[in-house]
Amino acid sequence: GAGVSQTPSNKVTEKGKYVELRCDPISGHTALYWYRQSLGQGPEFLIYFQGTGAADDSGLPNDRFFAVRPEGSVSTLKIQRTERGDSAVYLCASSSGPGSYGYTFGSGTRLTVV
Amino acid sequence: QKEVEQNSGPLSVPEGAIASLNCTYSDRVSQSFFWYRQYSGKSPELIMSIYSNGDKEDGRFTAQLNKASQYVSLLIRDSQPSDSATYLCAAEGSARQLTFGSGTQLTVLP
Repeated sequence: GAGVSQTPSNKVTEKGKYVELRCDPISGHTALYWYRQSLGQGPEFLIYFQGTGAADDSGLPNDRFFAVRPEGSVSTLKIQRTERGDSAVYLCASSSGPGSYGYTFGSGTRLTVV
Repeated sequence: QKEVEQNSGPLSVPEGAIASLNCTYSDRVSQSFFWYRQYSGKSPELIMSIYSNGDKEDGRFTAQLNKASQYVSLLIRDSQPSDSATYLCAAEGSARQLTFGSGTQLTVLP
């Protein structure tokens, strides 16, 4: 597609449930990044993929968060046993190589845990 | 803790004026810096990147970088009401991730 696509755009879930957030990067972009943005804050880095492998997952807050990119294209961010504090906008970005000569962000998934 | 600090504002300027947005960063390893614009309810949009000390101009936008002072700024000339948004400063770390500031809210008054 022409841009980074994220689905769903909105997700409301109950505390304790499992959720999956999907990111479809710009075609041909090898680098893919997940960020989380809470209200009034800048985006916070979660994980970076180069191809299929997680090159840096140091931003994942705890082991409830996991992300995969099995074929080097689409990525899924998985959150287990969701907590109200996980409520945020989850942003995905892609770029044509390692290093950010300009991230292109998707429109984000707004996750609300009730 | 690698930090990027911005004055959260809000910053208000009249239409046609110069808006000046400032940012400091703590990680001396950072070599690349970015300014993103974020409209309410939308995702961040890259507007400027800067890698070398000095000024970089693109249309009405000028980014300035001073690595010795660990300082980045963005000037918006001839500000327009459509420039009203939150401006995010970001520094690239050694592991290629971006560390963002909390943003400065800019309002351009008609």
